[in-house]
Amino acid sequence: DAKTTQPPSMDCAEGRAANLPCNHSTISGNEYVYWYRQIHSQGPQYIIHGLKNNETNEMASLIITEDRKSSTLILPHATLRDTAVYYCIVRVAYNSGGSNYKLTFGKGTLLTVNP
Amino acid sequence: KAGVTQTPRYLIKTRGQQVTLSCSPISGHRSVSWYQQTPGQGLQFLFEYFSETQRNKGNFPGRFSGRQFSNSRSEMNVSTLELGDSALYLCASSLDQGTYEQYFGPGTRLTVT
Repeated sequence: DAKTTQPPSMDCAEGRAANLPCNHSTISGNEYVYWYRQIHSQGPQYIIHGLKNNETNEMASLIITEDRKSSTLILPHATLRDTAVYYCIVRVAYNSGGSNYKLTFGKGTLLTVNP
Repeated sequence: KAGVTQTPRYLIKTRGQQVTLSCSPISGHRSVSWYQQTPGQGLQFLFEYFSETQRNKGNFPGRFSGRQFSNSRSEMNVSTLELGDSALYLCASSLDQGTYEQYFGPGTRLTVT
């Protein structure tokens, strides 16, 4: 799986948009970008994933650059409960009979939402 | 729908002992993965089970093993515990093998003394 690079920490004001960047310059054509987050003392929580098109769900938006070498997770209106470590993960698509679909977590970005 | 449950939530063991951790996936989910989380190494993949078979394995010694039952519940076992096995052990379930979304349980905090 391709390696990802994320800033170790970021701050955001409550109510503002939080934009979390991720670099995955060695991503290959069949690899998806996933985002998970882990609030202190809890298990990781799936947020969103995408291949090459921008994606949006009730939690966040995922913007993937045209060359797919980087992406940005956007939390449109951050709240104090969004304070967590955010993980950007690149994972190969599942192939029937394949086995390379484990999630490999890096260090992530600690997002602190301030009141 | 109930989430992933893990038991016990906290455990203290002595070096050399063995331990068994349990995970009940979300109803209808057939795949269960296990992860170890430590401050130094972060989140590391242990193994995945689907249809009672281990489908994928991380880089952990043979002291770490697991199994899955016909109702998709899973257990992991660590034998001959070492101090370095102290960690948060997380279980994640997903609908099917290799699906994108994994749902994590709260974890079992294992302390080895």
